[in-house]
Amino acid sequence: AQSVAQPEDQVNVAEGNPLTVKCTYSVSGNPYLFWYVQYPNRGLQFLLKYITGDNLVKGSYGFEAEFNKSQPSVPLKKPSALVSDSALYFCAVSPQTGANNLFFGTGTRLTVIP
Amino acid sequence: ETGVTQTPRHLVMGMTNKKSLKCEQHLGHNAMYWYKQSAKKPLELMFVYSLEERVENNSVPSRFSPECPNSSHLFLHLHTLQPEDSALYLCASSQEGLIRWDSGDTQYFGPGTRLTVL
Repeated sequence: AQSVAQPEDQVNVAEGNPLTVKCTYSVSGNPYLFWYVQYPNRGLQFLLKYITGDNLVKGSYGFEAEFNKSQPSVPLKKPSALVSDSALYFCAVSPQTGANNLFFGTGTRLTVIP
Repeated sequence: ETGVTQTPRHLVMGMTNKKSLKCEQHLGHNAMYWYKQSAKKPLELMFVYSLEERVENNSVPSRFSPECPNSSHLFLHLHTLQPEDSALYLCASSQEGLIRWDSGDTQYFGPGTRLTVL
């Protein structure tokens, strides 16, 4: 069965510090992994897409993701957090291209403290 | 904005009411989706429409009834809901129903309708 886990409900980071939001997954084959951000009263906005075989992927708003072989996982990172990055972050996985849905994690609320 | 709009943004209804949620996409896409977002739970895919045909129905109770009159509009008709149906209902669209993630297609989400069932 496909599964996606975001082990942290909440992440706090000081403004200017690097941030990391974790996501692990168990999906057969060579899945596609996505990060979305949701600001208050807004829909999900696409941040980046990771395809199996990529190393470092750069996305919107300075976010990036790098594959971690040991888990497997593709944590979302940003070298220097902004207060405006405070939002709800979701990772999602699709087992293959040519699919019509995504398996989502439960979300991680990021708070960047001024 | 993503090009996907949803109305109303907030809805409060009693368990005996009938109401409808509306979604419109201005992107020229062929596929539309309904998701349910509950606190601390993964997004749940409810329905998928491709070229106005329903291609997926993920065991959703019959008190939720989708309608897709054309490729730009998607409705979710609600009747005799339960308090546990209170959630954020998100609409999304994509170019095709079977999304070619490797070609750059993705899902574009609307802002959602916050539904409260009393």
